[in-house]
Amino acid sequence: QKEVEQNSGPLSVPEGAIASLNCTYSDRGSQSFFWYRQYSGKSPELIMFIYSNGDKEDGRFTAQLNKASQYVSLLIRDSQPSDSATYLCAVNPGNAGNMLTFGGGTRLMVKP
Amino acid sequence: GAVVSQHPSRVICKSGTSVKIECRSLDFQATTMFWYRQFPKQSLMLMATSNEGSKATYEQGVEKDKFLINHASLTLSTLTVTSAHPEDSSFYICSAGRLAAGNEQFFGPGTRLTVL
Repeated sequence: QKEVEQNSGPLSVPEGAIASLNCTYSDRGSQSFFWYRQYSGKSPELIMFIYSNGDKEDGRFTAQLNKASQYVSLLIRDSQPSDSATYLCAVNPGNAGNMLTFGGGTRLMVKP
Repeated sequence: GAVVSQHPSRVICKSGTSVKIECRSLDFQATTMFWYRQFPKQSLMLMATSNEGSKATYEQGVEKDKFLINHASLTLSTLTVTSAHPEDSSFYICSAGRLAAGNEQFFGPGTRLTVL
């Protein structure tokens, strides 16, 4: 069973702080990794993806990938109350087209 | 770019009726489309994967005769919930896959189905 694990939270951070969201995966052959944000009652929206070891930055978001440790994380700098949502980690195994395995999501709460 | 539409956004129907949900990729050709279901406060559950012109692949436990999927073109897939019952009430979300550097999936806005 290929799994993607996330702490369900809630993760509570004060406004302006850095929020750190973590994800581990079991399939060592996984090729690309995605972070989606899902607001309550809405569908997921893609924040960013990463497929090389190291860091990838996009605005206030930084994705970090460590394939040796089978670990991917998302950092949100200068967290805002509007960042409060559930963050889904998803993994593409690399041999199944666009198929993604999703984690259960981490609920982030940014307090003013 | 990478916009996916879904229609209707909300539907309320009587038990026993059938409901069709459309999913369209508006600005790209989707090699594969996916249908998910999400119950309140739960994670996404993949129901089926469809490729244009071929039969959908259903996940274990999903009744293919109840959830009919038609993938008519590279930009359109439909999900029909046949003989809907109250336990089918859920948030149905489609996504479209684009074969690019990251093999991303882009999600439609979802359809909230309520069966009375």
